[in-house]
Amino acid sequence: AQSVTQPDIHITVSEGASLELRCNYSYGATPYLFWYVQSPGQGLQLLLKYFSGDTLVQGIKGFEAEFKRSQSSFNLRKPSVHWSDAAEYFCAVGAGSGYSTLTFGKGTMLLVSP
Amino acid sequence: DAGVIQSPRHEVTEMGQEVTLRCKPISGHDYLFWYRQTMMRGLELLIYFNNNVPIDDSGMPEDRFSAKMPNASFSTLKIQPSEPRDSAVYFCAARGQGASGYTFGSGTRLTVV
Repeated sequence: AQSVTQPDIHITVSEGASLELRCNYSYGATPYLFWYVQSPGQGLQLLLKYFSGDTLVQGIKGFEAEFKRSQSSFNLRKPSVHWSDAAEYFCAVGAGSGYSTLTFGKGTMLLVSP
Repeated sequence: DAGVIQSPRHEVTEMGQEVTLRCKPISGHDYLFWYRQTMMRGLELLIYFNNNVPIDDSGMPEDRFSAKMPNASFSTLKIQPSEPRDSAVYFCAARGQGASGYTFGSGTRLTVV
C-alpha cells in the first residue's frame, strides 16, 4: 500500500521569502502525485498534479513541484510567498494509472509572517 | 459547474440523535468519496462509490455509520446514533475518469454535544 509523509507539521515563512514544503511517498511503481491546499473553513483545492513526463510541474497560484524518483519526493515550491498563502497543504499519492483512491499526508500548516 | 455541494455547512446535534449529511457531486464524475477530518487523525477515507455502487467501506468506523448513493447526483452519510467522538469535518469529494484528482466540497462541520 502507498503512503505519504509530510515531515513538517508547521512552517513559518516571511512574506516575500521562498517556500519549500516537503513530501515523501512510498509506492513501488510510478505514482500519481498531487498537492492540495486548504484554507480555514474550506475544502481542499487542487494546486497541481504529476502523472508522467516533465518532472517539474506548474500549478495555480504560482506554485510548482518537482518529482524526484530517486528520492521518492514531490516537494512543493513557491519563489515568493504572499500572506494569502497561509493555509494547510496536503500531499497525496494515487497508486498508478488505475488508482481509485488517494492517500493523503497529514498536512503542513504554513504560517506567513509580515 | 457548481462543484461538489455539501449540506448543511454546520450541524450541531445532541448525542444519540440521528445526523444526515448530504452531497451533490459533479455531473459526470463517476467516483464519490466521503472523508472525515480531525486534528488527531487527519483525513480519513470512510467510503467511496463508483457509478453509485459502494466499492470500499472499510473506513467506516462502525455500524452507526452508513452511506448511500441512490443516484448519480446525490449521496448521504448517516450517523445513528451520534456520539461526541463523531465531531469532525466531513468532506465529500468527486473524481472523474482518467488521470484526474479529486474535487472537494466545502465540508460539513459536525458537532455532537
